[in-house]
Amino acid sequence: EAGVTQFPSHSVIEKGQTVTLRCDPISGHDNLYWYRRVMGKEIKFLLHFVKESKQDESGMPNNRFLAERTGGTYSTLKVQPAELEDSGVYFCASSQLAGVSNEQFFGPGTRLTVL
Amino acid sequence: AQSVTQLGSHVSVSEGALVLLRCNYSSSVPPYLFWYVQYPNQGLQLLLKYTSAATLVKGINGFEAEFKKSETSFHLTKPSAHMSDAAEYFCAVSSNQAGTALIFGKGTTLSVSS
Repeated sequence: EAGVTQFPSHSVIEKGQTVTLRCDPISGHDNLYWYRRVMGKEIKFLLHFVKESKQDESGMPNNRFLAERTGGTYSTLKVQPAELEDSGVYFCASSQLAGVSNEQFFGPGTRLTVL
Repeated sequence: AQSVTQLGSHVSVSEGALVLLRCNYSSSVPPYLFWYVQYPNQGLQLLLKYTSAATLVKGINGFEAEFKKSETSFHLTKPSAHMSDAAEYFCAVSSNQAGTALIFGKGTTLSVSS
């Protein structure tokens, strides 16, 4: 069974540009989460989808970040325009809707560098 | 509100020595607790989880952790370190239901010397 995949693995952009990160969850996982780790800080929750609906987006830092999950399968996270403080590693995770343990399976992350 | 504190951002041990990585949590509801590991250039991998069953939880690669409610702790241990255990370890807490956000500690980097 394929795990959570993320694309790209690395992205280097200039301040003011736009970047789109993609996450493909494990097949059949209705829960999809985005997290971010800024250098030297803890991994922080950004938002949570249940199928195509945003269940919780309390962690989104500002309106420069837009997440979508069309059709309830893969998800994209767009940053527009990117700022220096957006640099970090963006993780995607997925889990079963009826999972009893809240175990979340993580992807390898996308390392975003904003110059 | 929930939070996690990992004591020690770096821990160094010798090969064969006991590994002890400390995690204390704060939660206003019964928690689920997790330890994840991140090897260099890889994603987060679940080591073990506590979900209100047995308080002593055994995970992969010989790791285990004990949930101590009175101490609000969930320390990770391994009796004998291997070189391959060198990685970053994250403790996380969530509420005791599926589909809720994980709250992570800042991580502890484990170094193992020969």
